[in-house]
Amino acid sequence: EVQLVESGGGLVQPGGSLRVSCAASGFTFSSYWMSWVRQAPGKGLEWVANIKEDGTERYYVDSVRGRFTISRDNDKKSLFLEMNNLRAEDTAVYSCARVAMYFFDSDTFPEAFDIWGQGTMVTVSS
Amino acid sequence: SFDLTQPPSVSVSPGQTATITCSGEKLGDRYVCWYQQKPGQSPVEVIYQDNKRPSGIPERLSGSNSGNTATLTISGTQVMDEGDYYCQVWDGNTAVFGGGTKLTVL
Repeated sequence: EVQLVESGGGLVQPGGSLRVSCAASGFTFSSYWMSWVRQAPGKGLEWVANIKEDGTERYYVDSVRGRFTISRDNDKKSLFLEMNNLRAEDTAVYSCARVAMYFFDSDTFPEAFDIWGQGTMVTVSS
Repeated sequence: SFDLTQPPSVSVSPGQTATITCSGEKLGDRYVCWYQQKPGQSPVEVIYQDNKRPSGIPERLSGSNSGNTATLTISGTQVMDEGDYYCQVWDGNTAVFGGGTKLTVL
């Protein structure tokens, strides 16, 4: 069964740090771009970060760039999000998602988030 | 950054057709995906590349995209279709979601 399971969420004070993880199973993890998407309580979905299959390319939403770092360990089939200098507005459920790609003109492009984890809650509060 | 605009809510009677729109500048030049999210659950991809359905998604869900507007259409809407729907596009290698539309079937 294709599955993504997040862990590591919790309560952290403003300015603090936290690392959340995502364990993948049921598919060839090293063949896929992966992403983190968050959802603040009662709010919509917000894309946070992407990482290429081999980790050589990473992209971030402006609001977290310089504070968050996405990384992966393909041998352990795991995705990570290191979050530093956390703010109250970072409070959200953080979900990892697999990125399906499509081929066009001898290149590949991101298509959709085809598999999602259940998410892990991160609360930033004093 | 690229912006996507969705109506906050749409209501429909059971058996009728629900239409959820997603607007953005020259949106028709991009592929649009749609996700359904039910309360307390993770999102599920229901449409990709404007109008393609993943395996297991009912045929009564369909999508289109032209000009500045993409549309998710649910024919013969059922109570089980209630939930939040999000459109999404890629801006290079970064993703953008619409604000979401709450579909109520009553």
